[in-house]
Amino acid sequence: SQQGEEDPQALSIQEGENATMNCSYKTSINNLQWYRQNSGRGLVHLILIRSNEREKHSGRLRVTLDTSKKSSSLLITASRAADTASYFCVTVGAGNNRKLIWGLGTSLAVNP
Amino acid sequence: GAGVSQSPSNKVTEKGKDVELRCDPISGHTALYWYRQSLGQGLEFLIYFQGNSAPDKSGLPSDRFSAERTGGSVSTLTIQRTQQEDSAVYLCASSSGAGGFGNQPQHFGDGTRLSIL
Repeated sequence: SQQGEEDPQALSIQEGENATMNCSYKTSINNLQWYRQNSGRGLVHLILIRSNEREKHSGRLRVTLDTSKKSSSLLITASRAADTASYFCVTVGAGNNRKLIWGLGTSLAVNP
Repeated sequence: GAGVSQSPSNKVTEKGKDVELRCDPISGHTALYWYRQSLGQGLEFLIYFQGNSAPDKSGLPSDRFSAERTGGSVSTLTIQRTQQEDSAVYLCASSSGAGGFGNQPQHFGDGTRLSIL
């Protein structure tokens, strides 16, 4: 199956709640990145976390990386209707496994 | 504008025709990526340019697909003898290129929606 698999596939929450999305991968990585996509067009970069990092924050976003479990999570705190979008993780393979592998995304709906 | 610009926004063409998609990256960005995204799917890597180095074409799905980047700036993705399965959104992204392949955040254009009739 494809590396960079997100779960859940879809998530629906109320404004003000927290949203957690997970990403699993299969091979050693150089870094892992999260992106947001609105309306099926251009993507916006959220956070890049390198293989030697465990946690990064940006505003209401928190990303963790567990290389032993080959997984990452994206937490959006105090969600807003404007956070409604699809969220993708992408892994950049390490060493000779130099590949960019995108997951299928988590569709997040934040209801007012 | 300071962002990545792609043209056309939409392209409808008949099966068997050739199409050219254009990407104008952020000024100063040495790395440029092309992706394809089918409906409801993640991105499929196609090709990567970094400065004057030979491009990484490992993601191109067939020899009908080619891309070039002239003068280290504007890039063109060409699809020859289009097939219906080529219908997708084609996205271009650029980055500073520091640290090599995939090592920096990518800035995306809004894509070209290609429909093959």
